[in-house]
Amino acid sequence: GAGVSQSPSNKVTEKGKDVELRCDPISGHTALYWYRQSLGQGLEFLIYFQGNSAPDKSGLPSDRFSAERTGGSVSTLTIQRTQQEDSAVYLCASSPRGAGGRVETQYFGPGTRLLVL
Amino acid sequence: GEDVEQSLFLSVREGDSSVINCTYTDSSSTYLYWYKQEPGAGLQLLTYIFSNMDMKQDQRLTVLLNKKDKHLSLRIADTQTGDSAIYFCAEIRGYGGATNKLIFGTGTLLAVQP
Repeated sequence: GAGVSQSPSNKVTEKGKDVELRCDPISGHTALYWYRQSLGQGLEFLIYFQGNSAPDKSGLPSDRFSAERTGGSVSTLTIQRTQQEDSAVYLCASSPRGAGGRVETQYFGPGTRLLVL
Repeated sequence: GEDVEQSLFLSVREGDSSVINCTYTDSSSTYLYWYKQEPGAGLQLLTYIFSNMDMKQDQRLTVLLNKKDKHLSLRIADTQTGDSAIYFCAEIRGYGGATNKLIFGTGTLLAVQP
């Protein structure tokens, strides 16, 4: 498809386990964002990738969270030693460019619903 | 998302106009967005407005921007049951810098009664 895709759609895990969430951005989009949507915090920014630049990790809530973007395309968000408060919908977005004096619209994927028991 | 405020709920009758309000905090925000989220779905971009504009109209949608009061509104004309969803306003942060991150409001649940 032409949009942002994410997998899995839903993930149920046990407290303490590690999880990996995947995002496939729109082809040709160089900027990629991860956001989290939870009941207590609403929609919040997590991390941003732009081309080969160092990612902006300022939104990651703890060092249990990390993300990679391989080959400037697919991104994986990893949560280690999951906690119940990590339960949320994790949204990925991409845009043609993220910065450099021009604002590009961000297009969102359907999200991964994570439930930590 | 607490920096951008919205009322939590709005209920209207089918055919009426809906007005969803948003108050943002960063006066330097250059773009302001409205996104729609239907149950179980991701965020769909509805419209956006550049900060040098007061109004933008797009079919049934009208966006009004009051920069002095940092107030943004979305008007939906002839509201339909298919418009029932959560509506998020968002402002851009980091424009021209390293990151263009979106700061979202709390979301307004629009319920359209038939």
